[in-house]
Amino acid sequence: DSGVTQTPKHLITATGQRVTLRCSPRSGDLSVYWYQQSLDQGLQFLIQYYNGEERAKGNILERFSAQQFPDLHSELNLSSLELGDSALYFCASSVGTVRETQYFGPGTRLLVL
Amino acid sequence: DQQVKQNSPSLSVQEGRISILNCDYTNSMFDYFLWYKKYPAEGPTFLISISSIKDKNEDGRFTVFLNKSAKHLSLHIVPSQPGDSAVYFCAASTSILILTGGGNKLTFGTGTQLKVEL
Repeated sequence: DSGVTQTPKHLITATGQRVTLRCSPRSGDLSVYWYQQSLDQGLQFLIQYYNGEERAKGNILERFSAQQFPDLHSELNLSSLELGDSALYFCASSVGTVRETQYFGPGTRLLVL
Repeated sequence: DQQVKQNSPSLSVQEGRISILNCDYTNSMFDYFLWYKKYPAEGPTFLISISSIKDKNEDGRFTVFLNKSAKHLSLHIVPSQPGDSAVYFCAASTSILILTGGGNKLTFGTGTQLKVEL
């Protein structure tokens, strides 16, 4: 158990809908990262937050947004969902923003029908 | 553009033997490398890392070797155990991004499925 929690574990929805994925980092970690893993792909970095502020952005679609709240939990919002958004979404956390190990949650499996 | 490549999608090894997983990268700015292990229905678990100032790092049964000139790293598992059967991901980061406030994103390879057989 990494100490990072993600809810829900599974999510099935329809095209055009909007969903929210939630992540709670390890106790004491200020950075939260979101990654997407599509079929047969490696994990693709989406976005990083540090202590409530956006720190880095990857190839995140405009239809996706995220935020980190004062209690340090983070939410990833996916809207106008398309079939191709079906993937595993992982959250990771680390203490700060320099070179520390990122600890991953169990992921949320999203299926868009 | 796949900046971190794991060209072997799968590897099968006998229990007790050495497992060697390979990873190549193209971005010369990468200076920190990590290996993660992933079991089905779980998130990736950190295994071992190496900075570009080293060429080897060892932790128990796991050793990572870095060849900067070849832009190649490998993970050796000795001896291999059935519980090591998992997908192994190589990941890389660059301190340039970190130092310029650009965050600490990891760039991952596509993974190698290791199967350790009895």
